[in-house]
Amino acid sequence: DAMVIQNPRYQVTQFGKPVTLSCSQTLNHNVMYWYQQKSSQAPKLLFHYYDKDFNNEADTPDNFQSRRPNTSFCFLDIRSPGLGDAAMYLCATSGPGGGTNQPQHFGDGTRLSIL
Amino acid sequence: GENVEQHPSTLSVQEGDSAVIKCTYSDSASNYFPWYKQELGKGPQLIIDIRSNVGEKKDQRIAVTLNKTAKHFSLHITETQPEDSAVYFCAPYSSASKIIFGSGTRLSIRP
Repeated sequence: DAMVIQNPRYQVTQFGKPVTLSCSQTLNHNVMYWYQQKSSQAPKLLFHYYDKDFNNEADTPDNFQSRRPNTSFCFLDIRSPGLGDAAMYLCATSGPGGGTNQPQHFGDGTRLSIL
Repeated sequence: GENVEQHPSTLSVQEGDSAVIKCTYSDSASNYFPWYKQELGKGPQLIIDIRSNVGEKKDQRIAVTLNKTAKHFSLHITETQPEDSAVYFCAPYSSASKIIFGSGTRLSIRP
């Protein structure tokens, strides 16, 4: 089945130690999103790619960066994680054609813990 | 900016009864209205959606109704079952391409 896969499902890192989360998709969708979801809260959009065009949300901290080397893969880099960055990180895709009036397909997330 | 409100925040219904969740948005140019279901430890999954040229859409026990004049849309679940227990999010899409999720509704089905 076509899907969105996030690895790893659980990630533990130390305070200030860079960490990378990965997402892959077999849907061939041109839009990929990264969300942060804290406990009992709604997902909050960090940024998204429309093809290779990167779109950062205004309130996304500089500590968060992303790479999309090809259609299938997208990475979330947290340069210096703080305790407040502990959360579930969700990757999603939409397409074909993308745009904001298409359903999003989510992975099951990576739960990040900061020691 | 866009404002999205979702009510109620928690909802407990007897198995077999109906559940209704309401989402209110502020951007009159919004044209796509999805509902997502999130089970524990999983990502949100689309369960039903509606576009602005349609007033109601039904898929078995699940329906969505849209009132564009009043700027709200609602999720209706009939004959609720234990597997309907989850958190539900609305996510109306605004013309500014900004995606905002509602605050979520935790639905519990009592046996």
